Amino acid sequence: DPKIIQKPKYLVAVTGSEKILICEQYLGHNAMYWYRQSAKKPLEFMFSYSYQKLMDNQTASSRFQPQSSKKNHLDLQITALKPDDSATYFCASSQDRGTNERLFFGHGTKLSVL
Amino acid sequence: GDSVTQTEGPVTLSEGTSLTVNCSYETKQYPTLFWYVQYPGEGPQLLFKVPKANEKGSNRGFEATYNKEATSFHLQKASVQESDSAVYYCALSDRHTNAYKVIFGKGTHLHVLP
Repeated sequence: DPKIIQKPKYLVAVTGSEKILICEQYLGHNAMYWYRQSAKKPLEFMFSYSYQKLMDNQTASSRFQPQSSKKNHLDLQITALKPDDSATYFCASSQDRGTNERLFFGHGTKLSVL
Repeated sequence: GDSVTQTEGPVTLSEGTSLTVNCSYETKQYPTLFWYVQYPGEGPQLLFKVPKANEKGSNRGFEATYNKEATSFHLQKASVQESDSAVYYCALSDRHTNAYKVIFGKGTHLHVLP
């Protein structure tokens, strides 16, 4: 059974629209992350959360907003979508936040912006 | 900033041959080094990690030694199998001004022929 659930698996959007990518983890982890994978930048760190607090933000654009309603949820809202946002977005988690922590990844949401 | 550089793929091998995927890293700190593997349609998963210099990590016949002097962490396997076909990512986890994040290389696509 997948321990990190991402919804939807595939998403098609039109330029200028807004979408929310859902992530839930059932590993009991305290830290959660978003990564983006595209042809240009294979696995790019976006955000990290620890105990529902934003800890690190490497995304320059404010169009990307993570939202954590529960400790095991970390959704990603993307507004004013652009074709360049097309990528697979991976949610990940780790027991805690630290240099030795192993990341567990979901299966990803593949976003296509037309 | 921190960076990871690894063998550019794709790498195509016949079953039973040996594999080396080169990985070098740049950081001012003392990172933990990782190898992750990604199969089609899935998120990356940890192959193994090595937190200390001069130590070796291994799993499923793959191994790599954390060489601090050469800033390298090359992945090796003596005899690859068709099931090893996947994308392999070298990564480092570091701490910068209280920010923890895992930085990935661009990935090496391995294709093993039967």
